[in-house]
Amino acid sequence: ETGVTQTPRHLVMGMTNKKSLKCEQHLGHNAMYWYKQSAKKPLELMFVYNFKEQTENNSVPSRFSPECPNSSHLFLHLHTLQPEDSALYLCASSHLPRGGFRGEQYFGPGTRLTVT
Amino acid sequence: RKEVEQDPGPFNVPEGATVAFNCTYSNSASQSFFWYRQDCRKEPKLLMSVYSSGNEDGRFTAQLNRASQYISLLIRDSKLSDSATYLCVVNGLGFGNEKLTFGTGTRLTIIP
Repeated sequence: ETGVTQTPRHLVMGMTNKKSLKCEQHLGHNAMYWYKQSAKKPLELMFVYNFKEQTENNSVPSRFSPECPNSSHLFLHLHTLQPEDSALYLCASSHLPRGGFRGEQYFGPGTRLTVT
Repeated sequence: RKEVEQDPGPFNVPEGATVAFNCTYSNSASQSFFWYRQDCRKEPKLLMSVYSSGNEDGRFTAQLNRASQYISLLIRDSKLSDSATYLCVVNGLGFGNEKLTFGTGTRLTIIP
């Protein structure tokens, strides 16, 4: 148990649907991340939230919209997705002291998304 | 050139053998280095950090060669439970303190 939970674990959605992925961390961390993992490709960082402020948007299409209401919760809102967006979406968290310590990240179990 | 490059394998190794993986990274300004492990259909988990002086954790030894920009992981006396994909991870590629860049992973299967 990593202390990072994600819901739902599996999601099938049509291209015209709107859905949201939820992530919650119970570790007292102050930074949260969304990653995409596709088959045969490395994990791709999508968004970073540092002390609830978005500090990284790694050229992600606008059909993915993140929201971080507090340091424990992170959402990824999805709309008008494409079949190529089918992947495993992983949330992670870490502790970031003000000095920018480069520590480890703890991952949630992921949401397996299929876009039909 | 990929930012972090690994041999995808698969490596099929008999139980008890020693196996080593290498990983190369492209940005000489990279600050910190890790090996993560990912079991099939599970999330990645930190296996160990990699320090400049090299470090060991039980059967696992990690080495960093900054001059040649590669990282290695050595597993001794391999166990069936070591079967997994091993991800080489590099931090600090100029985008921020916590932007981890992952390799595609090396798949290891330990054979009884």
